[in-house]
Amino acid sequence: KNQVEQSPQSLIILEGKNCTLQCNYTVSPFSNLRWYKQDTGRGPVSLTIMTFSENTKSNGRYTATLDADTKQSSLHITASQLSDSASYICVVSSRDSWGKLQFGAGTQVVVTP
Amino acid sequence: DAGVIQSPRHEVTEMGQEVTLRCKPISGHDYLFWYRQTMMRGLELLIYFNNNVPIDDSGMPEDRFSAKMPNASFSTLKIQPSEPRDSAVYFCASSSVAGWYNEQFFGPGTRLTVL
Repeated sequence: KNQVEQSPQSLIILEGKNCTLQCNYTVSPFSNLRWYKQDTGRGPVSLTIMTFSENTKSNGRYTATLDADTKQSSLHITASQLSDSASYICVVSSRDSWGKLQFGAGTQVVVTP
Repeated sequence: DAGVIQSPRHEVTEMGQEVTLRCKPISGHDYLFWYRQTMMRGLELLIYFNNNVPIDDSGMPEDRFSAKMPNASFSTLKIQPSEPRDSAVYFCASSSVAGWYNEQFFGPGTRLTVL
């Protein structure tokens, strides 16, 4: 069973609107959680990374939250732009295995004019 | 820095042929990762190296896959013989132990199609 579950699988939003993506994980012992953005035909690019003690982190219009107690994270996109159309992947790292990251399946976001 | 460089960007081959994918990590990075991405399975770690030494190859699907890192600036992933189910996008990523959280920088990927 995948240790990182993302929802929704895909979503379509109008340009200028906000949206929130969800990530639930069971990876333990937890080290950090990151969100990657993957544009079509490109490699993933890191947006944010949070450790156990961090609740929120922003990168421009992207804001990630982390609740380590409930093992949940969210990525909020504010005032979406066409360039936000991409797959957003939640990735969790365990303290036991530095080199191996656990990847979610991703949420495909489509921003329409 | 040019980032992680992969070649070729696209590869189309016939079943049974040998395929070699290449990667040049970011200079100074001491970790190198090979991933495979498919619609069905998402991103999967195949193998990773530390200081040119393979650390974990448990993700390599079978003996047809092999990876080498002869020096700090070059790695190859070879598939011999290739099969249609190997069709996927293969990513190389690198990171530095100095970045404790293992921030991995991905290359653009090689899209492999096996006919």
